[in-house]
Amino acid sequence: DAGVTQSPTHLIKTRGQHVTLRCSPISGHKSVSWYQQVLGQGPQFIFQYYEKEERGRGNFPDRFSARQFPNYSSELNVNALLLGDSALYLCASSLAGGNTEAFFGQGTRLTVV
Amino acid sequence: QQQVKQSPQSLIVQKGGISIINCAYENTAFDYFPWYQQFPGKGPALLIAIRPDVSEKKEGRFTISFNKSAKQFSLHIMDSQPGDSATYFCAAKISGGKLIFGQGTELSVKP
Repeated sequence: DAGVTQSPTHLIKTRGQHVTLRCSPISGHKSVSWYQQVLGQGPQFIFQYYEKEERGRGNFPDRFSARQFPNYSSELNVNALLLGDSALYLCASSLAGGNTEAFFGQGTRLTVV
Repeated sequence: QQQVKQSPQSLIVQKGGISIINCAYENTAFDYFPWYQQFPGKGPALLIAIRPDVSEKKEGRFTISFNKSAKQFSLHIMDSQPGDSATYFCAAKISGGKLIFGQGTELSVKP
């Protein structure tokens, strides 16, 4: 079975631009979460979606938004990019809500110049 | 109260030795504690996890020890190998909620 797949793997954007990151969860998994990992730090929670509904949001500005589609894949959108948005963006997939195991994709490395 | 504190920040161990990484938390509502292993340029990989009703869990060379009263848990890597060199993250979660990660420990196993 394929694991969590994220696209693209690397991305370079200019300040002020918009970016869309994509995630396909493990087959059968209905929950997707997004995390931001700045170099040298642990991942920070951005959003959680379960059954296409937002179930949690971290301490990130409104420039960050996400959605989950009927096939449980998800998009993370970031508007008006800042240099500080440069990070590894991780998608985690889990079977359901609750305390089921979360499996991460390889991430999208976003560089804002 | 939402923090998970991890130590040490970096660790150097000889091949065959025991690597020990410690984490502490404050929020007693946390009820799931996973450990992740991350190699450079890769996403975190789930290594082993424990729930607070269990004091120890072992999977191969990896063991989690959990002390509920002290609100601490640790990862022990027995017979450490150069291939174990990676960054390790502890995390904690409230049922249905987000993962709160520690700051990470960079482990280097010398041959």
